[in-house]
Amino acid sequence: QQQVKQSPQSLIVQKGGISIINCAYENTAFDYFPWYQQFPGKGPALLIAIRPDVSEKKEGRFTISFNKSAKQFSLHIMDSQPGDSATYFCAASRNFGNEKLTFGTGTRLTIIP
Amino acid sequence: DAGVIQSPRHEVTEMGQEVTLRCKPISGHDYLFWYRQTMMRGLELLIYFNNNVPIDDSGMPEDRFSAKMPNASFSTLKIQPSEPRDSAVYFCASQEAGGIQETQYFGPGTRLLVL
Repeated sequence: QQQVKQSPQSLIVQKGGISIINCAYENTAFDYFPWYQQFPGKGPALLIAIRPDVSEKKEGRFTISFNKSAKQFSLHIMDSQPGDSATYFCAASRNFGNEKLTFGTGTRLTIIP
Repeated sequence: DAGVIQSPRHEVTEMGQEVTLRCKPISGHDYLFWYRQTMMRGLELLIYFNNNVPIDDSGMPEDRFSAKMPNASFSTLKIQPSEPRDSAVYFCASQEAGGIQETQYFGPGTRLLVL
C-alpha cells in the first residue's frame, strides 16, 4: 500500500516561475513531513520539513504548505532557478521523524531558461 | 565529518555472483537505513537498524538479501546470488536519534549493475 502519493511525476518550469509539487498521505499518524532534493549521481538531501501544527513553513525560496484536514502538503519553489533542477521527494514519518520515512515516488523538476 | 561513506561507488557483476555493499554511517548516529532506488519503484526502504539492531526488515525483497551491522561504524548489505533485477542504486543513510525532526543523511550511493 503506497502511503504517500506524489504528483506530478515530472515538471518543467521557466526560470523565475513558481514550481509546485503536491503530495497526499493516508496515515493520520504521520506527524513529520520532509522534502528531500536529489541531484543526479548524489544521494537525497533534506531540503525543508514541516510538522502538522503549522500550515506553512518558509525557508528562502522554498515553502511547504500543509493541509491537515485534506491530508495534503505541497512544496512551492518561488523564482525557480536552473540550479533547482533536480528530483524532489516528499516523505512522511511518525514520531517526529524518529521512525522510518515513507517516500513519495519523486518529481523530476527541470527549470528552463 | 566526512558524511556517510559507501563503497564501492560502482559495481558491475554477473548474475549469480555475490555482491557486498558497505556503509560507514556518520559517527554518533544511532540509526542506519538501507534504501534501493530504481526508475520503476522509486526509493524503497529495505531495512533499518537502531543501535546496531535490525528494527524493520520488511522491505528486504527476498532471502537473497541480507544486512548486518556488526558495530556502530559499519554495515553491509549482501546479495547472494545476484540477479539482473537487482540492478539499482543502493543508498545508505544515517540519523541521530533523540531529537525532534531528525534528518536522515544519505550517502552517495552504490550503483549496481548485474549482467
